[in-house]
Amino acid sequence: DTAVSQTPKYLVTQMGNDKSIKCEQNLGHDTMYWYKQDSKKFLKIMFSYNNKELIINETVPNRFSPKSPDKAHLNLHINSLELGDSAVYFCASSRVVGLNTEAFFGQGTRLTVV
Amino acid sequence: TQLLEQSPQFLSIQEGENLTVYCNSSSVFSSLQWYRQEPGEGPVLLVTVVTGGEVKKLKRLTFQFGDARKDSSLHITAAQPGDTGLYLCAGVARGSTLGRLYFGRGTQLTVWP
Repeated sequence: DTAVSQTPKYLVTQMGNDKSIKCEQNLGHDTMYWYKQDSKKFLKIMFSYNNKELIINETVPNRFSPKSPDKAHLNLHINSLELGDSAVYFCASSRVVGLNTEAFFGQGTRLTVV
Repeated sequence: TQLLEQSPQFLSIQEGENLTVYCNSSSVFSSLQWYRQEPGEGPVLLVTVVTGGEVKKLKRLTFQFGDARKDSSLHITAAQPGDTGLYLCAGVARGSTLGRLYFGRGTQLTVWP
C-alpha cells in the first residue's frame, strides 16, 4: 500500500546507455514530479505534470524525457547517460490545499553511471 | 539563484541539547513546509505553516513562520538520536506556478547519544 513507489531503487549502468525509471502513485493526486538530488543533497525540480500535462520543465538536458500515460504514473527516460547524471532521482506527487502544495515522495532511485 | 537559504548546513550536537534551524528568503511565500529525510528514503512532510506569525508544535519540534512570510524556523527541544536526519524547508513562492515547490539546501542534523 505504498503511496508513491518508484522502480528500480538502484540502477548502475554504463555511459551512453538509455535507461528508464518508473513511478506510480495511489494517492489520487493530480500532480506528479521528478526531482534530482545531487551529492550535496540539493533537491532540484526537473519536471512536473498535472493531469498528464507538462506544467514545469526546468533547464534539463533534452536527453531526459518524462512520460505520463495517466495521472497515476510518471516515468522518466534518460538517453545517452553521462557520468554527471549520477544522482538520486525522486518521484513525488502532490495535493493542493488552498494555496499550499504538499508533496509526497517515493524512496528514490540511486543512479550510478560508470 | 537559491530562493530559500537554510542555515546551518551541518549541525552536530549531543542528546538533550536544543537547536534551531533557519530558512530565509527575500521572497514572500504562500506557505512554507518542513520535511525530514533519512538515509535511503525520500523526504517526509513534517508540517506546513500558512499564516504569517504562525507557530506549530509537533511534540518536541516547534515551527514558526515569519510575520512577513519570508522566513521560517524549526526548533527542537531536548534532541534525541532519532531526530538525526536531513531537514529541508520548502515553499511555493507567491505568484509562482501552482505546484512549483522550491527546496532549501537542507540542514544535516546529527544527534549523538
